Amino acid sequence: RKEVEQDPGPFNVPEGATVAFNCTYSNSASQSFFWYRQDCRKEPKLLMSVYSSGNEDGRFTAQLNRASQYISLLIRDSKLSDSATYLCVVPGSSNTGKLIFGQGTTLQVKP
Amino acid sequence: GAGVSQSPSNKVTEKGKDVELRCDPISGHTALYWYRQSLGQGLEFLIYFQGNSAPDKSGLPSDRFSAERTGGSVSTLTIQRTQQEDSAVYLCASSELAGGAGELFFGEGSRLTVL
Repeated sequence: RKEVEQDPGPFNVPEGATVAFNCTYSNSASQSFFWYRQDCRKEPKLLMSVYSSGNEDGRFTAQLNRASQYISLLIRDSKLSDSATYLCVVPGSSNTGKLIFGQGTTLQVKP
Repeated sequence: GAGVSQSPSNKVTEKGKDVELRCDPISGHTALYWYRQSLGQGLEFLIYFQGNSAPDKSGLPSDRFSAERTGGSVSTLTIQRTQQEDSAVYLCASSELAGGAGELFFGEGSRLTVL
C-alpha cells in the first residue's frame, strides 16, 4: 500500500456546489495530518491542519477517520477562486519526521 | 526577508554538469525539507533536516544527489553529473516545529532544466 493516496481528479463542479476529497494513508501511528493548496505553477500553502475531532474553517471542513485511515476535505459553496490542486500531507511510515505529500486532487470550479 | 528564499530560481545546464541549489529558511526554523516536483506531478520527498542533521534522506534518488545544512540555517542540494530526468522544480520548505508537526513554509522553488 502506498504511504498516501489521493484521487487525482479532476473534479469539475459548478459554483456553489459542495465537493469532498478523500486521502488514504498507511501509517497507523500518524498523529499529524494536513491539507495544502497549490495553485498552478506556485508553491504549496497550508490550507488547514486536520485534528482528531475534526475541524472547520469557514466553508472548509477537515475530518480524520483513524479506523479506516483516511482524511477528508469538504468544501461548501464552491467559489471560482477555490480552483486549485489540493494536497494531503501525512507523516512517513518511518516516523523520522518526514512528511509525504499525496499526488494532489485537482478542483476546477466553473461559473 | 521574512520567507523561505531559494536560488537560483531558474537553472539550465547541460547533461553531465554539476549543480548546486540553495535554500535560506525562515530564521529560527529548526526543520528543513527538500522536495522535487516534475511537471504535472506531486511533490516527491527528498530529504529532511532537523537542525544540521538529516534523520531521513531516504528520498534522495541516487548517490548523485547530496544535501547539507550548516549553522542550522542554509541548506544546499547538490546534483552531480546531471541527467535529463533530473529536470524538475526543486522546492525547499522550513518549519518551526520538528518531527513533521508544524506548518511547512515553501520557497518559490528552483526550476532545473537539464539539456
